[in-house]
Amino acid sequence: AQSVAQPEDQVNVAEGNPLTVKCTYSVSGNPYLFWYVQYPNRGLQFLLKYITGDNLVKGSYGFEAEFNKSQTSFHLKKPSALVSDSALYFCAVRPISSGSARQLTFGSGTQLTVLP
Amino acid sequence: EAGVAQSPRYKIIEKRQSVAFWCNPISGHATLYWYQQILGQGPKLLIQFQNNGVVDDSQLPKDRFSAERLKGVDSTLKIQPAKLEDSAVYLCASSFIREVRSHGYTFGSGTRLTVV
Repeated sequence: AQSVAQPEDQVNVAEGNPLTVKCTYSVSGNPYLFWYVQYPNRGLQFLLKYITGDNLVKGSYGFEAEFNKSQTSFHLKKPSALVSDSALYFCAVRPISSGSARQLTFGSGTQLTVLP
Repeated sequence: EAGVAQSPRYKIIEKRQSVAFWCNPISGHATLYWYQQILGQGPKLLIQFQNNGVVDDSQLPKDRFSAERLKGVDSTLKIQPAKLEDSAVYLCASSFIREVRSHGYTFGSGTRLTVV
């Protein structure tokens, strides 16, 4: 069974500083990896994904993530944080070879707070 | 493109009452998921449909939860009778088979259930 760990419940960063939200995963075979963001009282919004190819993937709103197979990690990064980036961030994984069962497994989430 | 529609947005019921949630996926999306998101946790899959058939319901508490997707389009999720621990946001998501390679899954805004 696949699993995702987000070791930090809360990340605080000053506006303009770089941010990192950590994610490690466990899956049989190769993974599809995703980051989603959730604002209060809203559904999950897609940020970026890793499917195959370049280990550094770029997504919406200036976010990027680096896939590291040896460390089974997929950390979310942004060079310069904005106050509007404050939200709840979820990492999710799905094995590539999962037949018809294509469900995502989510981490527990990391609350990002960007301080002005 | 219209998103995934869910209703109602909010519902408050007493324990032991019944409740139903409705989801209308993106047109053409064959796969539909129901997730339960308890406050402070990541979404957990309850059930996955492929067209009108169930692919995975291993985490659905079948003694009280039921779901159907009779015509392979809309879906309803029912809880009867509700317990206090069912208080959560219920998220519906849909995907087209190939879309996992583009942006994963599209989520609705969710239904926030409070059981008192």
